[in-house]
Amino acid sequence: AQKITQTQPGMFVQEKEAVTLDCTYDTSDPSYGLFWYKQPSSGEMIFLIYQGSYDQQNATEGRYSLNFQKARKSANLVISASQLGDSAMYFCAMRVMNYGGSQGNLIFGKGTKLSVKP
Amino acid sequence: DSGVTQTPKHLITATGQRVTLRCSPRSGDLSVYWYQQSLDQGLQFLIQYYNGEERAKGNILERFSAQQFPDLHSELNLSSLELGDSALYFCASSDRALNTEAFFGQGTRLTVV
Repeated sequence: AQKITQTQPGMFVQEKEAVTLDCTYDTSDPSYGLFWYKQPSSGEMIFLIYQGSYDQQNATEGRYSLNFQKARKSANLVISASQLGDSAMYFCAMRVMNYGGSQGNLIFGKGTKLSVKP
Repeated sequence: DSGVTQTPKHLITATGQRVTLRCSPRSGDLSVYWYQQSLDQGLQFLIQYYNGEERAKGNILERFSAQQFPDLHSELNLSSLELGDSALYFCASSDRALNTEAFFGQGTRLTVV
């Protein structure tokens, strides 16, 4: 069964420090995509970063990087130089292809609530 | 701005009622997905439409239905509402390729009283 596991319900980080949010996934499909989303208290889902299963290099987007370890089926999000505005829920998600060839839906983990301390 | 528009943003209704949530995908996106986010169930996939056709179903109740119209906008119909249907309902859209994000709308917060 396809599954995303986020084992950290909540985390604290000091402003300007780096933090790693853990994510492990389970799928038998060879082609899949891994995503991280941020959900602030206002509720919207904000896309942060994407990693494809065939990508050789770890994805980076500004202060966000994805530590992709395929053999361990992990896709941890690293946020460098944390800011107060980073306080939010963070969701790891996976998408596989539909049998019809279109994109499948996203499967989400339960999320990690990150709190950045001044 | 993700380019995905959901209306209304907030909805308060009574048990037993029926409501319709609307979603306009990003220009050019053929796939529309509906998700439900509740405190106890987390983010759950409900249903996907691709170019007007139902493509995949998730944990969608029989009281819920959806459709995608020729102009690609989609509607999610929730009927015989129960208190437990109170949740944040998201619509997302994407194009064909696997390596693109799903663009989420702002969500409709449904409160059943």
